[in-house]
Amino acid sequence: DSGVTQTPKHLITATGQRVTLRCSPRSGDLSVYWYQQSLDQGLQFLIQYYNGEERAKGNILERFSAQQFPDLHSELNLSSLELGDSALYFCASSPGVVPYNEQFFGPGTRLTVL
Amino acid sequence: QKEVEQDPGPLSVPEGAIVSLNCTYSNSAFQYFMWYRQYSRKGPELLMYTYSSGNKEDGRFTAQVDKSSKYISLFIRDSQPSDSATYLCAMSAVINSGGSNYKLTFGKGTLLTVNP
Repeated sequence: DSGVTQTPKHLITATGQRVTLRCSPRSGDLSVYWYQQSLDQGLQFLIQYYNGEERAKGNILERFSAQQFPDLHSELNLSSLELGDSALYFCASSPGVVPYNEQFFGPGTRLTVL
Repeated sequence: QKEVEQDPGPLSVPEGAIVSLNCTYSNSAFQYFMWYRQYSRKGPELLMYTYSSGNKEDGRFTAQVDKSSKYISLFIRDSQPSDSATYLCAMSAVINSGGSNYKLTFGKGTLLTVNP
């Protein structure tokens, strides 16, 4: 158990809908990262927050947004969902922002868009 | 050309075999190199990380980096059925001029099965 929790574990929804994925980092970790994992694209970095502020952006679509709250939990919002958004979404956390900080991954949320 | 290339396998070996997993990359800005292991239905977990060219050993695992060839490897000695998982290479590069932001780029992963 990495200490990172994600809810829900599974989510099934329809195209055009909006969903929110939630992540609680390890105790003491200030950085939160979101990743999308699909069979054809692999693990893709979406966005990073550090102590409530956006730190880095990766391949995140404009239909997706995220935020980190004062208690350091984070939410990833996915809107106008398309079939291609079906994937595993991972949250990871680390103590800081230096590149050699180990990122601890949560168990993931499996999103299915029908 | 993708920034990081990794053969997806699958790779199937008998117990006790030496396993070699490899990644190539094209971005010279990558500075830190990592190997993550991902069991089925779980999140990835860090196995090893290296900074410089050369070898780093940790138990049965050896990570090798050759920056001149843009090539990294992970060797697993005396492989065990419990090593069966997907292995992902990952590399980080600074993405801003101040050097305070970085991005982690993953390979697609190699699925390894170690047969008893």
